[in-house]
Amino acid sequence: DIQMTQSPSSLSASVGDRVTITCRASQDISNYLAWFQQKPGKAPKSLIYDASSLQSGVPSKFSGSGSGTDFTLTISSLQPEDFATYYCQHYHSYPFTFGPGTKVDVK
Amino acid sequence: QVQLVESGGGVVQPGRSLRLSCAASGFTFSNYAMHWVRQAPGKGLEWLAVISYDGSNKKYTDSVKGRFTLSRDNSKNTLYLQMNSLRAEDTAVYYCAKFRSSRYYYSDAFDIWGQGTMVTVSS
Repeated sequence: DIQMTQSPSSLSASVGDRVTITCRASQDISNYLAWFQQKPGKAPKSLIYDASSLQSGVPSKFSGSGSGTDFTLTISSLQPEDFATYYCQHYHSYPFTFGPGTKVDVK
Repeated sequence: QVQLVESGGGVVQPGRSLRLSCAASGFTFSNYAMHWVRQAPGKGLEWLAVISYDGSNKKYTDSVKGRFTLSRDNSKNTLYLQMNSLRAEDTAVYYCAKFRSSRYYYSDAFDIWGQGTMVTVSS
C-alpha cells in the first residue's frame, strides 16, 4: 500500500499569511493527488484534484503543485474561514490512502 | 443540487450488524463509482471501499474485507454498506463520496461528500 505523510502536523498562522503544507507519497503516484479541507464536526470538502486542479467553486487562493512523490498545498492569504484541518489523499491505486492531516489554527 | 445523504448509523453491540445507506440526488447516480470513507473520533480519514457505477466491481480495504459488503440500487439512487461482525474499532463517522468522472472506476478524485453518519460499537 502507498503511505502518505504530511508536514507539518500543525501550524499556527495569522489572517493574511501565506501557508504551505507538504504531502509526500511512499512511491510515485504521478499527479493522482487530492487535497481536502475539514472543519470540526463537518464532512471533508474537496479542494484540489490531479495535484493542481481546483474543484468547482473553490477560491483561487488555494493552489496545489507537485508530481511523483512530493506535493504542496498553498493558501495565498489565509482568511478566518480557512482555519481547519487539511488532508492529502492519493488515488493512484487501491487502497486509496490519506495523509494524517495538518491542522491550521490561529496564532 | 448534487447531494449525498447518509443514514442508518447508531449504537450497536460488538459482533452485531448494521446497514448504512447513502441517498444520492442531483446527478445521474448510475454513472458514478461510489466510495465509503470513515473517521474514528479524533482521528484521520480512512478509505474503506469502492463500488463501480454498475455494481460489477468492488474493492475493500483489508481491515473490513470479509466483514463489510458494498451494494447499490441504481433504481433507487442509493448506496449501501452492510457491516457485519462489528468491533469497537469500527466506531466512526461514515461518509459516502462520489468520483468526479462518469464511468471511472480507477484513478479519479472525489468531488462530493455526504454529511456522514455516526456508528458507535459498544456493549
